[in-house]
Amino acid sequence: AQTVTQSQPEMSVQEAETVTLSCTYDTSESNYYLFWYKQPPSRQMILVIRQEAYKQQNATENRFSVNFQKAAKSFSLKISDSQLGDTAMYFCAFQGAQKLVFGQGTRLTINP
Amino acid sequence: DAGITQSPRHKVTETGTPVTLRCHQTENHRYMYWYRQDPGHGLRLIHYSYGVKDTDKGEVSDGYSVSRSKTEDFLLTLESATSSQTSVYFCAISVQREGEEFFGPGTRLTVL
Repeated sequence: AQTVTQSQPEMSVQEAETVTLSCTYDTSESNYYLFWYKQPPSRQMILVIRQEAYKQQNATENRFSVNFQKAAKSFSLKISDSQLGDTAMYFCAFQGAQKLVFGQGTRLTINP
Repeated sequence: DAGITQSPRHKVTETGTPVTLRCHQTENHRYMYWYRQDPGHGLRLIHYSYGVKDTDKGEVSDGYSVSRSKTEDFLLTLESATSSQTSVYFCAISVQREGEEFFGPGTRLTVL
């Protein structure tokens, strides 16, 4: 079974700084999707970014970008110019032949 | 906004009572999912549906049943609630079997 590991339970940075959240996964599949979801205090799960495994180019969405290392099975999220509204739980998720599998989450706090 | 609503949004019930949570979508998507979210576990799949009357079990299906008699509605039933089922429950939908899922606002269930 696939597993997703987020090794940083909590992180805290100052506003405008850049922060990187780590995610590793374990799979024997070659075709799959990876996602980062954000869960602010409102509890709503919001898709931040997605990456298809067959694409070598790292996905980017405005201030959010990923570093996808397929051989290392690593999928980190970089948030540039962090804002107070980025404060949230962030979940890494893997989807292969089975359903979506989530990591345990990283609680990110952006301080003013 | 993916057009997903969940009801109720909050519920407190007693051990041994039946509980039904409803997920309603306006997108007419084929795939629907029920997850539970607990501290330290991220989100875990309970059951999912790939069409009307077509459902299957997820990772943590024991103690739960589901039904889907219409495309837009996916019901999650706890036949006899237990304290271990105290959790936040999320419904999600997706256009395809693979790819991102869009989440409802969640239901906080407390079983006393």
